[in-house]
Amino acid sequence: SQQGEEDPQALSIQEGENATMNCSYKTSINNLQWYRQNSGRGLVHLILIRSNEREKHSGRLRVTLDTSKKSSSLLITASRAADTASYFCATDDDNFNKFYFGSGTKLNVKP
Amino acid sequence: DAGVTQSPTHLIKTRGQQVTLRCSPKSGHDTVSWYQQALGQGPQFIFQYYEEEERQRGNFPDRFSGHQFPNYSSELNVNALLLGDSALYLCASSFGGLVDTQYFGPGTRLTVL
Repeated sequence: SQQGEEDPQALSIQEGENATMNCSYKTSINNLQWYRQNSGRGLVHLILIRSNEREKHSGRLRVTLDTSKKSSSLLITASRAADTASYFCATDDDNFNKFYFGSGTKLNVKP
Repeated sequence: DAGVTQSPTHLIKTRGQQVTLRCSPKSGHDTVSWYQQALGQGPQFIFQYYEEEERQRGNFPDRFSGHQFPNYSSELNVNALLLGDSALYLCASSFGGLVDTQYFGPGTRLTVL
């Protein structure tokens, strides 16, 4: 299975602190994406990083990708209570046909 | 521009029954993928429809079937429901049979009693 695994499974921080989540996967990928899910609702796309990229920024989000270690990290800076959600990494297969999600990190940002 | 829509929002069925879930893709998209998300887990890929054909399939039994219509909307059918089929079913749309950019719907919460 190519499914990614996030670490930690749960993270609780104070508002204003930074949150870091890690994702590991098993086989070669074309892209790695991060999604947010609030309370079991639909997934919201956060950021896509391609296999030839090492770092990408979007607002308060910073994603890194290390293809040699088959791992990625998502950093949320200056967290807000509204960032409370589950965060998933997802990878595609070589043909861009299938999508594999990790088990998720549940982030709780305390006001 | 309407995003991905799914119906119904919630559904309660009993074991052995059959269920049909519906998905309308984002405007301009022609590919629909279905995912099952059990409580506390990440979404699991069920299958993908493109050009009205099932193109890719995950590790799900034949009780799970689908269809794509000429307008690109899609249905997911589950027969002989089991308690373990209780989950959030997510639909995602994209373009050209690829999944590098997918947009997800809000999901249908299925409860099997």
